[in-house]
Amino acid sequence: SYVLTQPPSVSVAPGETARITCGGDYIGHKSVHWYQEKPGQAPAVVMSYENVRPSGIPERFSGSSSVNTATLTISRVEAGDEAIYYCQVWDEGSEAGVFGGGTSLTVL
Amino acid sequence: QVHLEQSGADVTTPGSSIRVSCKASGYTFPDYYIHWVRQAPGQGLEWLGVINPGGDATSTSYAQKFQGRITVTRDTSTTTVHMDLRSLRSEDTALYYCARPGARGAGGRSAPLEVWGQGTLVTVSS
Repeated sequence: SYVLTQPPSVSVAPGETARITCGGDYIGHKSVHWYQEKPGQAPAVVMSYENVRPSGIPERFSGSSSVNTATLTISRVEAGDEAIYYCQVWDEGSEAGVFGGGTSLTVL
Repeated sequence: QVHLEQSGADVTTPGSSIRVSCKASGYTFPDYYIHWVRQAPGQGLEWLGVINPGGDATSTSYAQKFQGRITVTRDTSTTTVHMDLRSLRSEDTALYYCARPGARGAGGRSAPLEVWGQGTLVTVSS
């Protein structure tokens, strides 16, 4: 089955740039979505189809992909960005959704 | 507005089965897929399966890990989707979510999950 690999944690100081990666075979050929999860809340979409920001998501959030890696970039990180971020794709081969393991973003 | 209301928490024993229900409202029920996702305590999100409520009874896909143990069905008369999980073990203890994508029709399989239920806590313990 298809596997998405994320680093368990990323730490940045306020105002710096956080880059959260999501590795998968030919992920660049898939629609990648990113979710933000805060304690006690359901996940929420922060980026869809690799680089489409839903309404209400700040321009500080952006997405990109290369052949085998998708990246969520958060510029000018704020304390309120502290959360767990998950990448997700639909794998046509197995006809199944797949989540990455999640990356905990800590704002120092 | 669009809303997914899930059934209440459940406590059950190993080897048993559970049913988690998800009642949809505020939109045309057959037009949007419904996905099931779970999160074990302290763990990440795990995709379980999906149903096309507008399709026939076999319009489902499941994660390979749960094949044979999971069944997702829909009741169009009550706009409710049910997720049945059998042969439960302690590792199935988790918060179970139903979620709806933003895109209609077949695009809903690969679209982002924009609307989530409140979650249903299932505890499997002897």
